[in-house]
Amino acid sequence: GENVEQHPSTLSVQEGDSAVIKCTYSDSASNYFPWYKQELGKGPQLIIDIRSNVGEKKDQRIAVTLNKTAKHFSLHITETQPEDSAVYFCAASRGGGGADGLTFGKGTHLIIQP
Amino acid sequence: DAGITQSPRHKVTETGTPVTLRCHQTENHRYMYWYRQDPGHGLRLIHYSYGVKDTDKGEVSDGYSVSRSKTEDFLLTLESATSSQTSVYFCAISLQGPTDTQYFGPGTRLTVL
Repeated sequence: GENVEQHPSTLSVQEGDSAVIKCTYSDSASNYFPWYKQELGKGPQLIIDIRSNVGEKKDQRIAVTLNKTAKHFSLHITETQPEDSAVYFCAASRGGGGADGLTFGKGTHLIIQP
Repeated sequence: DAGITQSPRHKVTETGTPVTLRCHQTENHRYMYWYRQDPGHGLRLIHYSYGVKDTDKGEVSDGYSVSRSKTEDFLLTLESATSSQTSVYFCAISLQGPTDTQYFGPGTRLTVL
């Protein structure tokens, strides 16, 4: 089955700086790559996603890049703010009729230092 | 939480007792999922459903069963709870399957003593 590795497990950056979280996946058939943000005591919330026919996607301060050849994708957050502090998860799915759900990385705890 | 509720939100039970967790959605989404979240493991898929009475196993299905008799409800049952099933359980829904956006519920924290 799919295996998703996520690094780093903890990332501390100064407010206003950029943060980058990286993930690799093992199944070349995976074609959907979402990123989730989880705040303490809450369920994960989708912040951005990318499909395998696209190399990069941007939404305001957040961007995701995908390298299918190397089987890795990354989350970029620019101009970080205190409210960006949370745990971030990457995930992968290959879809298909009746196929299983998302395979998640183990998460990155992002800390924004004032 | 995209019209998803989970009940109960917290539960403490003893080893060997049966436990049922409920996920209810008001979005009329076809696909529903149960994940568990444990420190150091991220979220792992337990079971999923692709329609009423249509379910299948995920990565960590041993010790769990599910049922879906209505579009809006997806039940997760631990027939005989064990301490290894202490976890936070999340339900998720999607409209068109695993490559469509999945929306997560608020979670149920289960402690098995």
